[in-house]
Amino acid sequence: QSVLTQPPSASGTPGQRVTISCSGSSSNIGSNPVNWYQQLPGTAPKLLIYSNNQRPSGVPDRFSGSKSGTSASLAISGLQSEDEADYYCATWDDSLNGWVFGGGTKLTVL
Amino acid sequence: EVQLVESGGGLVQPGGSLRLSCAASGFGFSTYSMNWVRQAPGKGLEWVSYMSSSSSTIYYADSVKGRFTISRDNAKNSLYLQMNTLRDEDAAVYYCARVVRYCGGDWCGYFDYWGQGTLVTVSS
Repeated sequence: QSVLTQPPSASGTPGQRVTISCSGSSSNIGSNPVNWYQQLPGTAPKLLIYSNNQRPSGVPDRFSGSKSGTSASLAISGLQSEDEADYYCATWDDSLNGWVFGGGTKLTVL
Repeated sequence: EVQLVESGGGLVQPGGSLRLSCAASGFGFSTYSMNWVRQAPGKGLEWVSYMSSSSSTIYYADSVKGRFTISRDNAKNSLYLQMNTLRDEDAAVYYCARVVRYCGGDWCGYFDYWGQGTLVTVSS
């Protein structure tokens, strides 16, 4: 059971906008920035969003992040087939003294 | 170019030990904190352990505390994970990841580079 809660799956058609939620508590999301990672099939995770809404260089602006209270969201607009991947939210947990991850959301592009 | 290359994975019996290594290149290894993160087959990501750049601060996930030991050799640009008393549930791909702790003075705590991972199989 993951400390952060994500929906196990999400889907959309090419060109659509999809959002993936991430729910936590006051000791993690409520007090620390949220980061998002993308894991394409058979590859290592890659940083997608950091500090709630910042994109590393090279990440398309189709990807955006937000945070409110103890929840965060990842939005993908203009969905493309190459966006089909697993997406994980993560943050530091002040109570556990360590990083916590969401269980991951498998995004399918129909 | 930043590169992280893990090695040392393999098949080990329950109760056995294994030492993983992560060779870093393309950046000032001694100035970065590092993490180990694992992923069991078909499962999600799980943070395992953290070590600061100077080795002064170490954290472990409760699931490995007392069995795993993280260490680093800044002269060799290498990070290690000594895994003892291995259990079936420790079977996973183990990734090392570089940690960015602060962004402009504010805590951000993200992992900006990851290795390709090394597979640990625990089975009799």
